[in-house]
Amino acid sequence: NAGVMQNPRHLVRRRGQEARLRCSPMKGHSHVYWYRQLPEEGLKFMVYLQKENIIDESGMPKERFSAEFPKEGPSILRIQQVVRGDSAAYFCASSPSFDAGTSYEQYFGPGTRLTVT
Amino acid sequence: RKEVEQDPGPFNVPEGATVAFNCTYSNSASQSFFWYRQDCRKEPKLLMSVYSSGNEDGRFTAQLNRASQYISLLIRDSKLSDSATYLCVVNYLNTDKLIFGTGTRLQVFP
Repeated sequence: NAGVMQNPRHLVRRRGQEARLRCSPMKGHSHVYWYRQLPEEGLKFMVYLQKENIIDESGMPKERFSAEFPKEGPSILRIQQVVRGDSAAYFCASSPSFDAGTSYEQYFGPGTRLTVT
Repeated sequence: RKEVEQDPGPFNVPEGATVAFNCTYSNSASQSFFWYRQDCRKEPKLLMSVYSSGNEDGRFTAQLNRASQYISLLIRDSKLSDSATYLCVVNYLNTDKLIFGTGTRLQVFP
């Protein structure tokens, strides 16, 4: 049973380029979350998606960042016109269906380490 | 004030020692609590959920005190392989996002 998959594992981009990070949730999981970990800091929530829906994007920077989880295929986190401050590890997590009043554990993928030069 | 606060450590302990980590959270609406471990440059891995009654999994014991908004993790008989950063994690009622502490680093030496 494959876990959460992310690719690429490492991504180098020059300032101003676009970065696309992909995440396939664990089998049977319909909820996807993206988190960012800056060097020497804790993980910070960015966005929570279900298929074809953004549920909570309260942690997303207002500009240049977008996320989607299409009906078919992986979830994509897209960063346009990257800057040096975007260099970080981006982790995707997944969980099974969420019912109000309960909370399910989230399982993380190996992350994508983005380096902006 | 940070939403989840942890002592960053590092805690340097010999093999076989017992070590305890503490964590406080600021939002009384927090509903679910977890301990994750993160090895250097790897993803966080769920260690255990934390329940109001406290729970134990082998050498690991987690406790929750809702009145004091305090969570703890106890590791008995430390192994070299326990060396990692331990992340205290909470989430709020009816939301799905996890709020992470910055972690406590543990180094177990021979």
